Amino acid sequence: DQQVKQNSPSLSVQEGRISILNCDYTNSMFDYFLWYKKYPAEGPTFLISISSIKDKNEDGRFTVFLNKSAKHLSLHIVPSQPGDSAVYFCAASSSGTYKYIFGTGTRLKVLA
Amino acid sequence: DTAVSQTPKYLVTQMGNDKSIKCEQNLGHDTMYWYKQDSKKFLKIMFSYNNKELIINETVPNRFSPKSPDKAHLNLHINSLELGDSAVYFCASSQDPGQGPEQYFGPGTRLTVT
Repeated sequence: DQQVKQNSPSLSVQEGRISILNCDYTNSMFDYFLWYKKYPAEGPTFLISISSIKDKNEDGRFTVFLNKSAKHLSLHIVPSQPGDSAVYFCAASSSGTYKYIFGTGTRLKVLA
Repeated sequence: DTAVSQTPKYLVTQMGNDKSIKCEQNLGHDTMYWYKQDSKKFLKIMFSYNNKELIINETVPNRFSPKSPDKAHLNLHINSLELGDSAVYFCASSQDPGQGPEQYFGPGTRLTVT
């Protein structure tokens, strides 16, 4: 049972445009959500997070939106750059736990 | 300085062998993890240690045994390796959940069992 789902395995976007990566979850106990970026042959790198008490968190070109009623979050990258080409994972956890459930990832390709 | 390091980066071995993967973090974190990324790219947690105590033990065969000699190290020992153990294994560390949930990952160890 996959509690965190990223239904788009891949996404291509033109440089300078917006990239929108989506993530859905099923467990209503999740209250902290994270996005990681992964380049080939490297470990995932933390990008941005959001607590369930917020519906938006922004860090530079990256913004994460959370829709609790829909159990949906999205990562917006504006403007997209070729260096953003990577696999993006969303992850979710419940307060006070050490357990993180990851989605299967979306491969983003930013075309120059 | 590398925050989370793993050795070896690549490991090729035959079925039935026993092997270990080492992990070290220099971030001063209290919690460390082992994840397995299989051929379908699922990143699944296997184990987690907090201050050298096992706190997460997912449904993992007994052939896998984590060992934490101190809170900066978490090693993974695998007995009687099987073909299905071929995967990329990632070590990670984090502060306690109340201090921030983001995890810091090592570069991964690609294990190939032939």
